[in-house]
Amino acid sequence: NAGVTQTPKFQVLKTGQSMTLQCAQDMNHNSMYWYRQDPGMGLRLIYYSASEGTTDKGEVPNGYNVSRLNKREFSLRLESAAPSQTSVYFCASSPSSLETQYFGPGTRLLVL
Amino acid sequence: DQQVKQNSPSLSVQEGRISILNCDYTNSMFDYFLWYKKYPAEGPTFLISISSIKDKNEDGRFTVFLNKSAKHLSLHIVPSQPGDSAVYFCAASGNAGNMLTFGGGTRLMVKP
Repeated sequence: NAGVTQTPKFQVLKTGQSMTLQCAQDMNHNSMYWYRQDPGMGLRLIYYSASEGTTDKGEVPNGYNVSRLNKREFSLRLESAAPSQTSVYFCASSPSSLETQYFGPGTRLLVL
Repeated sequence: DQQVKQNSPSLSVQEGRISILNCDYTNSMFDYFLWYKKYPAEGPTFLISISSIKDKNEDGRFTVFLNKSAKHLSLHIVPSQPGDSAVYFCAASGNAGNMLTFGGGTRLMVKP
C-alpha cells in the first residue's frame, strides 16, 4: 500500500507556463483534496472531490483547475503559473468526506 | 481572517516534560477538531481528533481538550519525546464535513 502518491516532488516554472500536478491513492477512498501550504498560513483547500465525478471549489480556487480522472486519481492544473502560486501542494484522500484525511508527501513548486 | 489560529509559532520543551499546544477558533459552526503532525518533507499525518460533544479525548501520550465556550482546544503530549519534534497543525470542520480549516501550525522542539 503506497497510500497517497504525488508527482513531481519538485518543479520550477516560469511565469505563464502551465503544468499538472498528479495525485493517486490506492486506498479505495471516495474523497480527494488539493491543498496548498504557505508559511504561517497552514494548509488551505484549493479544490476537493467528494466522490468520483464531482469536484467543488475550496477556499482558494482561483488560478487552478482539477480533474477527477477516476476513483484513484485527482490532478491539479495551473494554466498560467504566477509567482503567487509558489507553494507546497498536498493531495489528500479520505474514505468519505466526513472522515479523516490522509496526505501525500507534497509537491514543492517554485514559479519564477 | 483566519478562523483557526495557533498563536505560538514555536515551542521548546525538555524531554520527559509536558508539551501543550494551543489552538483558538472563531467559527461557532465548527463541530469536529483534529490535530495533524508534520515532519519536514513529508505530508501531515493524523494524530488525534475530538467531537464537539466531548471535552476530552485521549490516545496514549496524546490528549486533546476542547473548551467550547472559550472556542479553544489544546493538545497535551506527556511525556514529550525527541521524536515528537515536528510541526503540529490543528484543524476544524463544520457540518459541511468535507472542508477542513487549518491553523498556521506550531513547531515543537523536544530537547534531549
